[in-house]
Amino acid sequence: AQKVTQAQTEISVVEKEDVTLDCVYETRDTTYYLFWYKQPPSGELVFLIRRNSFDEQNEISGRYSWNFQKSTSSFNFTITASQVVDSAVYFCALSEPGSNYQLIWGAGTKLIIKP
Amino acid sequence: EAQVTQNPRYLITVTGKKLTVTCSQNMNHEYMSWYRQDPGLGLRQIYYSMNVEVTDKGDVPEGYKVSRKEKRNFPLILESPSPNQTSLYFCASSLSPTGEGGYTFGSGTRLTVV
Repeated sequence: AQKVTQAQTEISVVEKEDVTLDCVYETRDTTYYLFWYKQPPSGELVFLIRRNSFDEQNEISGRYSWNFQKSTSSFNFTITASQVVDSAVYFCALSEPGSNYQLIWGAGTKLIIKP
Repeated sequence: EAQVTQNPRYLITVTGKKLTVTCSQNMNHEYMSWYRQDPGLGLRQIYYSMNVEVTDKGDVPEGYKVSRKEKRNFPLILESPSPNQTSLYFCASSLSPTGEGGYTFGSGTRLTVV
């Protein structure tokens, strides 16, 4: 069965530090999609990235970068030079055709950036 | 502005009183879905819709109904709400079931059933 594990429940760093959020997934399908979402204290869910299983290129968007490694079933997220505004809960999610593309979510990692 | 609009944002109701949470998107998305978020249980899918008149159950459909008569609207209906349906609800939409372009979420509806 598909599963997403975010083992880090909470991470606290000081502003300007780099921080990596881990995401490990399990799936039976060869085609699947991985997502990261941010949920700030205001509660909305903000889309960050979607990656399909055939694209293993790492992605960088400003201070954000993602490392997708099929060999270890991981899709880790790094924030460089963190800022207080990055404080939020971050969710990793997986969908696959075998489950009708139902999004399966990790438990989330609460990131606290201290000034 | 491209968005998913949910209403109401907050709702307190009594057990057994039927309610509807509305969801509307203006992006011509085919795929829409409802989730609930609960502490310790995370986000779980309630229902989803691949297109007009096509709906299916997610992980936790008991006690809920949905309809998709028009592409833009996907209301969530609680026929007889119970306290265990107290939760934060999110509606989401995307171009396709694979989440092409990402799933866009509404701002959420915090429902309390007393």
